[in-house]
Amino acid sequence: EIVMTQSPATLSVSPGERATLSCRASQSVGSDLAWYQQKPGQAPGLLIYGASTRATGIPARFSGSGSGTEFTLTISSLQSEDFAVYYCQQYNIWPRTFGQGTKVEIK
Amino acid sequence: EVQLVESGGGLVQPGGSLRLSCAASGFTFSGYFMHWVRQAPGKGLLWVSRISTDGGTTAYADSVKGRFTVSRDNAKNTLYLQMNSLGVEDTAVYYCARGYSYSDSWGQGTLVTVSS
Repeated sequence: EIVMTQSPATLSVSPGERATLSCRASQSVGSDLAWYQQKPGQAPGLLIYGASTRATGIPARFSGSGSGTEFTLTISSLQSEDFAVYYCQQYNIWPRTFGQGTKVEIK
Repeated sequence: EVQLVESGGGLVQPGGSLRLSCAASGFTFSGYFMHWVRQAPGKGLLWVSRISTDGGTTAYADSVKGRFTVSRDNAKNTLYLQMNSLGVEDTAVYYCARGYSYSDSWGQGTLVTVSS
């Protein structure tokens, strides 16, 4: 099973600032990496797939990068609606595995 | 509009059983692999199970293997999860999600609480 490790666990950012979230895989997953956003009381929503492709309707301030074992989600200018928990997920090998999440909170 | 609506959650005693359903609409259900993913209170996401488009292939997380059974009825556009021998560790919100690789649509979840 591939272990996905996200850092930091919590990121405190002021609105308008840039946020950089990291995700590391225990072995290479190529570009088979997705990012999800989850707000309190809601289901996760797809942000990024293929490590860097934004899902339909996702604003351009969200960008993904990386391949192999190191991945990054960047939110260029945080808006109020972006404060949430973000999960990475690999889909290269079964079982699909998620990181433990990074909570982006208001500083 | 793609919609996934879970139902069937509730309070069950340890050792009990429960069947979850996920009603799909707004897309060709029979064309998609489907998954169950759960989230324990205050915790992260855990993939539970998946089923192929025709229901012929299934897979399970080790933690539920032998206790949970996933199935689907493509004529009814519905996904199911039969959960037996439930333990307190199975307490979670259970989401259904579509997609073979990543999941681009998720239901709102149904809460399963295992407690005496």
